[in-house]
Amino acid sequence: EDQVTQSPEALRLQEGESSSLNCSYTVSGLRGLFWYRQDPGKGPEFLFTLYSAGEEKEKERLKATLTKKESFLHITAPKPEDSATYLCAVQAGGNYQLIWGAGTKLIIKP
Amino acid sequence: GAGVSQSPSNKVTEKGKDVELRCDPISGHTALYWYRQSLGQGLEFLIYFQGNSAPDKSGLPSDRFSAERTGGSVSTLTIQRTQQEDSAVYLCASSAGQGMVSYNSPLHFGNGTRLTVT
Repeated sequence: EDQVTQSPEALRLQEGESSSLNCSYTVSGLRGLFWYRQDPGKGPEFLFTLYSAGEEKEKERLKATLTKKESFLHITAPKPEDSATYLCAVQAGGNYQLIWGAGTKLIIKP
Repeated sequence: GAGVSQSPSNKVTEKGKDVELRCDPISGHTALYWYRQSLGQGLEFLIYFQGNSAPDKSGLPSDRFSAERTGGSVSTLTIQRTQQEDSAVYLCASSAGQGMVSYNSPLHFGNGTRLTVT
């Protein structure tokens, strides 16, 4: 069964303290892995798409990487405004549907 | 430009009542998706529209749930005889892609309707 698991469920960091969020997946024929950011009371906002192992994407303090089993979202020197829930989703095979992880709630304390 | 708009933003209803949730996608987006988000769980796929047709209704939890899309634009999700387990945030998303989500046609989400069934 296709599955996406995110860890940790929650992560509390001090401002400036770098860390990584994990998204592990077991799917048949990965088509793409997507990272979204969700603020409270808002819908998810698209961040990155990764297609193949070894691929990396960057945006401001965020960098997403992909292996054959998992993806990491690295956050460098985070600021309080980076606090949000980060969602990972996978598209597998010829299916248009996305399989979503439960998310990691990131809290950055000033 | 305008993003995906959902209404109402909040809805409290009594068990057994019917509710209608509305989604206005981004103009020109042919693909439209409904998801349900419950606390601590991943987004649950409900239904997908390409234009006015719904090639995949497999995610609808029961026959109390239905959805339609008219004019290739606005979509309505209807829940009949609501139950407490229907309480969740219902999210709508649209995409310019022809079904396959990709980097150049990612999903654009509305802010959702928070449904509470008492």
